[in-house]
Amino acid sequence: EPEVTQTPSHQVTQMGQEVILRCVPISNHLYFYWYRQILGQKVEFLVSFYNNEISEKSEIFDDQFSVERPDGSNFTLKIRSTKLEDSAMYFCASGQGDSNQPQHFGDGTRLSIL
Amino acid sequence: SQQGEEDPQALSIQEGENATMNCSYKTSINNLQWYRQNSGRGLVHLILIRSNEREKHSGRLRVTLDTSKKSSSLLITASRAADTASYFCATDPGNTGKLIFGQGTTLQVKP
Repeated sequence: EPEVTQTPSHQVTQMGQEVILRCVPISNHLYFYWYRQILGQKVEFLVSFYNNEISEKSEIFDDQFSVERPDGSNFTLKIRSTKLEDSAMYFCASGQGDSNQPQHFGDGTRLSIL
Repeated sequence: SQQGEEDPQALSIQEGENATMNCSYKTSINNLQWYRQNSGRGLVHLILIRSNEREKHSGRLRVTLDTSKKSSSLLITASRAADTASYFCATDPGNTGKLIFGQGTTLQVKP
């Protein structure tokens, strides 16, 4: 079964540095999402992306965050100047855009900010 | 307001027993979904129940939905040690793909 893949699995970065998290969604999916999960907390929506633009973003997704689909396969999340509170698991998901169909999640990138 | 709150927060049972987890939500929904998360892994979709359905089965999973009470339950029958994971309900109130997850129930199945 096709999978969503994320790299790296673990990223350690100094506070203030830029970080790029990468995702390869399922190839025939058109809708892409980022979520995050702070340790011990619930999974939170960050942003959805369709047709090369952001469809919706949460209040967490401030101007330090950006997303991009630089080519036909990758979907990236960039954090420009990381803060300690950005430490979390970041999950990429993709779907067909039908709310009656599930989203498919990658295994996540654990981001640790020092 | 919180959308999608599960209880109990943690559940520990013996292999072979049934596990029931509950989820409550606040706004009207088109459907409700259940996901499983194994430790250190991503979310795996288990089952989706539409708002016009009351019960749905998939293998050892049984999901119910009561829209009048804005609640859902997930029953895992004849549990196995491999069922040990966290279970989350999720809704998409705006039908935009923005999934709202609950806090989750951590299930431990002892062999």
